[in-house]
Amino acid sequence: QVQLQESGPGLVKPSETLSLTCVVSGGSMTTDYWSWVRQPPGKGLEWIGLISYGGSTNYNPSLKSRVTISLDTTKNQFFLRLSSVTAADTAMYFCTGGSGWLPDSWGKGTLVTVSS
Amino acid sequence: EIVLTQSPGTLSLSPGERATLSCRATQTVTRDYLAWFQQRPGQAPRLLIYDAINRATGVPDRFSGSGSGTDFTLSISRLEPEDFAVYYCQQSSHAPLTFGGGTKVEIK
Repeated sequence: QVQLQESGPGLVKPSETLSLTCVVSGGSMTTDYWSWVRQPPGKGLEWIGLISYGGSTNYNPSLKSRVTISLDTTKNQFFLRLSSVTAADTAMYFCTGGSGWLPDSWGKGTLVTVSS
Repeated sequence: EIVLTQSPGTLSLSPGERATLSCRATQTVTRDYLAWFQQRPGQAPRLLIYDAINRATGVPDRFSGSGSGTDFTLSISRLEPEDFAVYYCQQSSHAPLTFGGGTKVEIK
């Protein structure tokens, strides 16, 4: 199984863009699918979207207008950008990977707080 | 969108007892692409069961999954102290991928 590690600012101002990076190690990105999942404090899990090794994306309709997921297989990284954030976007953000759509490997998560 | 409803919301049991968790989908989960995850406090979710019935690598055999179509079950035959956690079901058959609301298994 690959290892994943999220990184990015822990604090983002309202209306700005949240940007996170996930570094993949212990395997190649060229065969799998890569997703972002978030979890507001004390609440359940919400799938944000995924990107295939070929660059095809699929987003949660509830976030689609604000989300961009991209990847750089040469650096074994993939990325999340979420625009026009509000307090409702405060959450633990996890990056995940799997040989299909199933997220079978997870990073430890990074907490992002939206506040001025 | 496939909505997954988990029940009960909270299960209060003692170590050694059997736990039975339910996950019901609003439409057929094709190819039984239904998974179960365990989440302990402060940790990322961990894959337990995939394709409804298959244990992930390293998962003890006291965990088992069953079901098909729209009704799925996770069973824990004898609860160990480390099994008290929140469990989520998740479907990967249709986008958007969705999770159930979770079942908390707590110590009675």
